[in-house]
Amino acid sequence: AQTVTQSQPEMSVQEAETVTLSCTYDTSESDYYLFWYKQPPSRQMILVIRQEAYKQQNATENRFSVNFQKAAKSFSLKISDSQLGDAAMYFCAYRSQGAQKLVFGQGTRLTINP
Amino acid sequence: DSGVTQTPKHLITATGQRVTLRCSPRSGDLSVYWYQQSLDQGLQFLIQYYNGEERAKGNILERFSAQQFPDLHSELNLSSLELGDSALYFCASSVVGQSYNEQFFGPGTRLTVL
Repeated sequence: AQTVTQSQPEMSVQEAETVTLSCTYDTSESDYYLFWYKQPPSRQMILVIRQEAYKQQNATENRFSVNFQKAAKSFSLKISDSQLGDAAMYFCAYRSQGAQKLVFGQGTRLTINP
Repeated sequence: DSGVTQTPKHLITATGQRVTLRCSPRSGDLSVYWYQQSLDQGLQFLIQYYNGEERAKGNILERFSAQQFPDLHSELNLSSLELGDSALYFCASSVVGQSYNEQFFGPGTRLTVL
């Protein structure tokens, strides 16, 4: 079974600085999808960014980008120019090509210091 | 607003009771997923329905059951409730067929078992 590990339970960063959240996963599959979800205090799950494993180019969405290292099974999230609104729990998630379910990591709580 | 609605937002009940959580997917989405978020287990996939039929099962207890109706809304039934069932229950929906199959999450139902 696939597993997702987020080794940083908590992270903090100064406003306007850059922060990187780590995620590793374990799978024997070659085709899959990876996601980062944000969960603010409202508890709503919001998709931040996604990466298809077959794509070598790292995904980017505005201030959010990923560093996808397929061989190392690593999928980190970089947030540039951190803003107060970025404060949230961030979950890394895996989905295999065939299955539809998401497998989540334990989450990283990100605090933004003004 | 993701377009997925869940009712009720909060539910407080006693051990041994039975409750029903309701989810309405986004317009046009045929697939519905249920996830449980608890302090102990993190975010876990429970079950998936596609156009009225069960498609995949995760770590769903035998005391729990779900169904998807012809109008595509779904209900999650939790019976013989235990203290450990206290959690945030999310419903998500998606259009199966897209390569990345983005899942849109509802706001969740907070269940408290006393």
